[in-house]
Amino acid sequence: DTGVSQDPRHKITKRGQNVTFRCDPISEHNRLYWYRQTLGQGPEFLTYFQNEAQLEKSRLLSDRFSAERPKGSFSTLEIQRTEQGDSAMYLCASSGSAGAKNIQYFGAGTRLSVL
Amino acid sequence: QKEVEQDPGPLSVPEGAIVSLNCTYSNSAFQYFMWYRQYSRKGPELLMYTYSSGNKEDGRFTAQVDKSSKYISLFIRDSQPSDSATYLCAMSHFDTDKLIFGTGTRLQVFP
Repeated sequence: DTGVSQDPRHKITKRGQNVTFRCDPISEHNRLYWYRQTLGQGPEFLTYFQNEAQLEKSRLLSDRFSAERPKGSFSTLEIQRTEQGDSAMYLCASSGSAGAKNIQYFGAGTRLSVL
Repeated sequence: QKEVEQDPGPLSVPEGAIVSLNCTYSNSAFQYFMWYRQYSRKGPELLMYTYSSGNKEDGRFTAQVDKSSKYISLFIRDSQPSDSATYLCAMSHFDTDKLIFGTGTRLQVFP
């Protein structure tokens, strides 16, 4: 497997439930990013990690959202008390060393539907 | 005003046409410019990456960056129906890792 892997591909949940998504980056990449994409819009940055350190968070990332990358490998994004406005595609991307840090490769995404 | 502006389309062209896709931006600090292709319900796929100004060619694709005009373009030669997708421009500047995307232009190439 040489690409970014995301699981699940699609999640349907009821409002108020908690959901967790997983991202496995390209194995040699030390940077990992989360974006959110709604219909008809480009992806919007949520947060990113360099190894296990979370270095930047968007103001879009409310206190109901939390992301972790405990051992600098895979990452999880949790949304607590989901709201209908959280329905979107959640995309994970990874990139390599400093010289290529802006070349980000995306996974297929997790589509969240909040009923 | 958004930092990156992109016409959402749709842009409909016949097979074999030359396609021109464009983005404008407002932040003069942007130095890295990318084009992604996204098929319906899939993740974005990196097509082209350019640092600073100039042209870059890869097969049927040519990316151009004009920093003086804050304008970037992607040209697709000999367009194919399989090129039908949404094309996203993205950019970033040196001291941040996050990408700022346009809204995407939906392209339809009909046989």
